Amino acid sequence: TQLLEQSPQFLSIQEGENLTVYCNSSSVFSSLQWYRQEPGEGPVLLVTVVTGGEVKKLKRLTFQFGDARKDSSLHITAAQPGDTGLYLCAGGITGANNLFFGTGTRLTVIP
Amino acid sequence: ETGVTQTPRHLVMGMTNKKSLKCEQHLGHNAMYWYKQSAKKPLELMFVYNFKEQTENNSVPSRFSPECPNSSHLFLHLHTLQPEDSALYLCASSHTHEAGGYYEQYFGPGTRLTVT
Repeated sequence: TQLLEQSPQFLSIQEGENLTVYCNSSSVFSSLQWYRQEPGEGPVLLVTVVTGGEVKKLKRLTFQFGDARKDSSLHITAAQPGDTGLYLCAGGITGANNLFFGTGTRLTVIP
Repeated sequence: ETGVTQTPRHLVMGMTNKKSLKCEQHLGHNAMYWYKQSAKKPLELMFVYNFKEQTENNSVPSRFSPECPNSSHLFLHLHTLQPEDSALYLCASSHTHEAGGYYEQYFGPGTRLTVT
C-alpha cells in the first residue's frame, strides 16, 4: 500500500514552460518534504513544509502544503534543463520513526 | 568530509559472494536508514536505526544484514544475493524527534549494486 501517490508519473516539457507536480494521500502528515534526485545520485532535500496551507518559494519553485495536510504540490516556472530529475515527496507522521516516500515524478526538460 | 558518504559507489558481485556496503554521516544525526531503489519502483525502506538500535526491519530477506556500530556508521552486509537484488542502495541519516514526525533525511550518493 502506497501512502503517497504522485502525478504525473512522467513529464516531458520544453524549456521555458511551466509545470505542476502533485502529491496526494488520504493520510494526514505532520510534515511534507520534496526531494530531487539526479541519475546515479541520492535524493537532495529541496524544502520542508509543516503548516496546512503553507507556501514556500525557492527561486522558480513554489511548494504548497494542502490545508488539511494530506496533499502537496510543486510548481516550476519557466523550467530549465537543469530541473530535469526525479521529484519525490515524503511525509512524516507523528510517532513514526521514518518518512513515507511518494511514487515519484520523472521530469525531463528539453532544451 | 561532509554530509553522507557511501562506499563503494559501484559493486558487481556473484550470487555466492559476500560483500559489505558502508555508510558514514558527518551531520551529528542519531538515526540512519537503508533504502533500496529499483528501476521504475518507489523508494523502499529496508532498515532504520535510532541511537544504534534497530527500530525497523521492513520484511527484508535475511541475505541482507545491517550493522550499526555507532550513530555515524552503518553497514549492509550482503551474502547469497539474487539477480533481482540489483538496485541502487541508498543510505540516509536524520535527527529524530520524539513528537511532530519532523524528519529531514539527508541521503548519500548510493551504491549501484549488480548481482550476476
